[in-house]
Amino acid sequence: RKEVEQDPGPFNVPEGATVAFNCTYSNSASQSFFWYRQDCRKEPKLLMSVYSSGNEDGRFTAQLNRASQYISLLIRDSKLSDSATYLCVVRNRRALTFGSGTRLQVQP
Amino acid sequence: GAVVSQHPSWVICKSGTSVKIECRSLDFQATTMFWYRQFPKQSLMLMATSNEGSKATYEQGVEKDKFLINHASLTLSTLTVTSAHPEDSSFYICSARDQGVSNQPQHFGDGTRLSIL
Repeated sequence: RKEVEQDPGPFNVPEGATVAFNCTYSNSASQSFFWYRQDCRKEPKLLMSVYSSGNEDGRFTAQLNRASQYISLLIRDSKLSDSATYLCVVRNRRALTFGSGTRLQVQP
Repeated sequence: GAVVSQHPSWVICKSGTSVKIECRSLDFQATTMFWYRQFPKQSLMLMATSNEGSKATYEQGVEKDKFLINHASLTLSTLTVTSAHPEDSSFYICSARDQGVSNQPQHFGDGTRLSIL
């Protein structure tokens, strides 16, 4: 079983749609959780950290459920510029473990 | 904010060549840096953890004699792909975290796209 699992997609949505990504992780001792965004052939960029209390940054809302070892990302009012691969990322003692990513394509 | 610089960004070379990739933390010190590799349509996979002043820690399945890591200072780690072959063609990315500041995320270099002919 992969340490971090994501639905690979692709998710093809129209502009303005709301889209949700899910992620599960297997290591219950994981300490920190993040969503990264990766554009084609580029390095990953931090989108937001994820906390149990849930956190929101503009159109983006992230949620962590430690009991279920489940992480989510909600994007509201999708823009064309949101098209990218979204990586669910978990940090244990030291390095990051990446999910395989969920590809989002927002269409006009 | 904290920045990680990686060089070169693109390398194309013949099979058998050794390639060195540099990773620098520009405005913070990093006793630990990480090297990842990403094959097409796959996620980033940790190759090794680079430790300043000591030996790197390699992940299972990564050959330490093939991927030489040197972390000679608090701001520089290098990865050398020795005698590279076409199967080593990949996207290599380094990252580091400002350990002087709590709860800092990892910052990534721009990545190095390595193509071995």
